[in-house]
Amino acid sequence: DAGVIQSPRHEVTEMGQEVTLRCKPISGHDYLFWYRQTMMRGLELLIYFNNNVPIDDSGMPEDRFSAKMPNASFSTLKIQPSEPRDSAVYFCASSWTSADTQYFGPGTRLTVL
Amino acid sequence: GEDVEQSLFLSVREGDSSVINCTYTDSSSTYLYWYKQEPGAGLQLLTYIFSNMDMKQDQRLTVLLNKKDKHLSLRIADTQTGDSAIYFCAEMNNDKLIFGTGTRLQVFP
Repeated sequence: DAGVIQSPRHEVTEMGQEVTLRCKPISGHDYLFWYRQTMMRGLELLIYFNNNVPIDDSGMPEDRFSAKMPNASFSTLKIQPSEPRDSAVYFCASSWTSADTQYFGPGTRLTVL
Repeated sequence: GEDVEQSLFLSVREGDSSVINCTYTDSSSTYLYWYKQEPGAGLQLLTYIFSNMDMKQDQRLTVLLNKKDKHLSLRIADTQTGDSAIYFCAEMNNDKLIFGTGTRLQVFP
């Protein structure tokens, strides 16, 4: 298996623009997680899905953030409109069950100017 | 509350042992993890320990768990320059991983 795949690897955009980050989990994994990593706040869980259904989105910062999982092999994290404080590395991870090891993707480095 | 704490930096000489420490808050955590993050990369699982264990050894890695003090440590024997990275401990809490701040390990020759 290729592991968790994220795209793009780097994204530079201007304030106010819409940003869409993409993730393909490991095949067969029922859980998918979105994290954000910043110097100030470290690693934060934003939202996670079980069998394509959002279970806990309490970490989503505000209404500008939304996440979807239309099928078992694809998820998106959208920011609209983006702001400079959204600049961070966004990771996607997946696992077989909630208690199993989470496997992380390489991350998307987002810069909002 | 949920708070996993680690020291921010550790510097060791190549060939020496490294010990990275972590304290956690939730005594009901079933699993505790160590992840490694190299520059520009995602998190790679190094090892994990089940809460009913005191110690786990995996080649150069030794994990020690003190449940009474809620203290977790990772020992890397014969530290190499390739071990330079950020190391995160994490506890599983209500199906969510709570990460520590990360310890940046620097290995010098």
